[in-house]
Amino acid sequence: GQNIDQPTEMTATEGAIVQINCTYQTSGFNGLFWYQQHAGEAPTFLSYNVLDGLEEKGRFSSFLSRSKGYSYLLLKELQMKDSASYLCARSNDYKLSFGAGTTVTVRA
Amino acid sequence: EAQVTQNPRYLITVTGKKLTVTCSQNMNHEYMSWYRQDPGLGLRQIYYSMNVEVTDKGDVPEGYKVSRKEKRNFPLILESPSPNQTSLYFCASSLRDPLGGDTQYFGPGTRLTVL
Repeated sequence: GQNIDQPTEMTATEGAIVQINCTYQTSGFNGLFWYQQHAGEAPTFLSYNVLDGLEEKGRFSSFLSRSKGYSYLLLKELQMKDSASYLCARSNDYKLSFGAGTTVTVRA
Repeated sequence: EAQVTQNPRYLITVTGKKLTVTCSQNMNHEYMSWYRQDPGLGLRQIYYSMNVEVTDKGDVPEGYKVSRKEKRNFPLILESPSPNQTSLYFCASSLRDPLGGDTQYFGPGTRLTVL
């Protein structure tokens, strides 16, 4: 595998901020994707990082450090509908390898 | 409507009985891929296709076959299914391969049970 590690579960309160970390092997790395998957549904695209730094997209931001093999997804102003699994995936050559996913539970 | 469709959505079968799961996309995408999703293991890529007649193995190809005779279709074939292939399967497509950072669009999933 590609040794992609992310926490299994996180819980946060509505309106709060949550940061989901993802670490991966750097050899052969091209870029890093984040997907959201609600229970019983297909994954949907959130972000793609290929260069170091922070990319902001509304309430969601994604960060990448290529040299450290590290990325995070930042979810701000959490809403109940953000309760889902968040999947980190790295591309190398023409393949895509996913982490096991982080289940985020948002509580009122 | 732009979409990826899979059929069937649910299938219960027995060991050794050949089956095919179909996947079709209407977005003229070049890259198509099959994944299986298992609890605790996440999504694992089975096979992918860069374009018509170009396919290659992902991380878990054993026990599966694919073909890409037309751009829109990418069927997954299990010649002799076994219980360890019980899983949730997703087909996905994107305009280009992951090197381009393109969004992968996923089908609704096929839940397969092999008894």
